[in-house]
Amino acid sequence: GNSVTQMEGPVTLSEEAFLTINCTYTATGYPSLFWYVQYPGEGLQLLLKATKADDKGSNKGFEATYRKETTSFHLEKGSVQVSDSAVYFCALLGQGGKLIFGQGTELSVKP
Amino acid sequence: NAGVTQTPKFRILKIGQSMTLQCTQDMNHNYMYWYRQDPGMGLKLIYYSVGAGITDKGEVPNGYNVSRSTTEDFPLRLELAAPSQTSVYFCASSQGATSGNTIYFGEGSWLTVV
Repeated sequence: GNSVTQMEGPVTLSEEAFLTINCTYTATGYPSLFWYVQYPGEGLQLLLKATKADDKGSNKGFEATYRKETTSFHLEKGSVQVSDSAVYFCALLGQGGKLIFGQGTELSVKP
Repeated sequence: NAGVTQTPKFRILKIGQSMTLQCTQDMNHNYMYWYRQDPGMGLKLIYYSVGAGITDKGEVPNGYNVSRSTTEDFPLRLELAAPSQTSVYFCASSQGATSGNTIYFGEGSWLTVV
């Protein structure tokens, strides 16, 4: 069946550091892929998405490229800020419009 | 913009009690979902609905019930609360099942069963 695996957290970085959060998936076919972000005490917000192979999703300085060869969708940002501290979820869109999530990666950015 | 609204935000239940988590959306979305979020486990789908009058089980439905009498509302019922149901619950909605449809989430309901 479909599944998503993310790198374990927590990830702690200094401000302006480069961020990579790894995400790999197992799926039948080529599902759409998403990154959601959850700020403390809030619900999930869509950060970016990619709907087909080689697509690059981007938003707020974050990027992720849909790599079908490596079944990956790693999240990157060139220079993180304290305000980026949150939990990040990688997800794929399964049958029937159901999102399948990874376990989440907590990011903490220190000034 | 109200979007997806969940109530209550926080609740403490005793073992064996019952309660309903309310969810309503004002976007006229056909699809609605209930997820639970446990630490280090991501979100797991409890139940979902593709339209009024239609519901189906997700990955972890045991101990829960849902109904979808209107397009707007999708309440989640816990009949006999157990400590294993201590979790954060998220309601979500989308217009359809394809990738062009964004899934919107509510702000969550923190439930503790003691």
